[in-house]
Amino acid sequence: ETGVTQSPTHLIKTRGQQVTLRCSSQSGHNTVSWYQQALGQGPQFIFQYYREEENGRGNFPPRFSGLQFPNYSSELNVNALELDDSALYLCASRRGQTDTQYFGPGTRLTVL
Amino acid sequence: QQQVKQSPQSLIVQKGGISIINCAYENTAFDYFPWYQQFPGKGPALLIAIRPDVSEKKEGRFTISFNKSAKQFSLHIMDSQPGDSATYFCAAKRSGGGADGLTFGKGTHLIIQP
Repeated sequence: ETGVTQSPTHLIKTRGQQVTLRCSSQSGHNTVSWYQQALGQGPQFIFQYYREEENGRGNFPPRFSGLQFPNYSSELNVNALELDDSALYLCASRRGQTDTQYFGPGTRLTVL
Repeated sequence: QQQVKQSPQSLIVQKGGISIINCAYENTAFDYFPWYQQFPGKGPALLIAIRPDVSEKKEGRFTISFNKSAKQFSLHIMDSQPGDSATYFCAAKRSGGGADGLTFGKGTHLIIQP
């Protein structure tokens, strides 16, 4: 186990709705990244938070947003859900700017 | 644009054999190359990682070979066991500071036959 936890495990939403996913990072890890993993694909980088600020983003639209809290936990928010948003959402934590990232088990989001 | 290309897409190896998965990257700024193992319903778990200053790194039955001039790296699993059956991902990023995420390959579904 990596010490990274995510909730909920599974979620079903309808197109157009909004969703919030949560992540608790490993103790002492102040950098959190979020990834989207479509079925049969590798994870794709959504964005990263460091010291409560977004400091990097992949090729995802603004309706994907996030927060990081003082205890380093994090949220991923997705607005105006689309069918293609159905995926496993992974968060990964690391200490500062070290390279090794530890992934949580993911949240499986299904958009109907 | 896929910056990390992984092959094969699937691989079947007999128990005790050597499993070999290959990756090629395009971005010469990449200097950190990890391999992750993922079981169904789980998040990716870090197996082993390498930096370009060495050509090979070994940890137990897992070895990474790295060819900087060819921009290629590979994972070798020696004495493959049924418990190694999983999906393997190579990844790459610029190391250290900065806000780049990992760029992953599309994965290799490995089956070890008993």
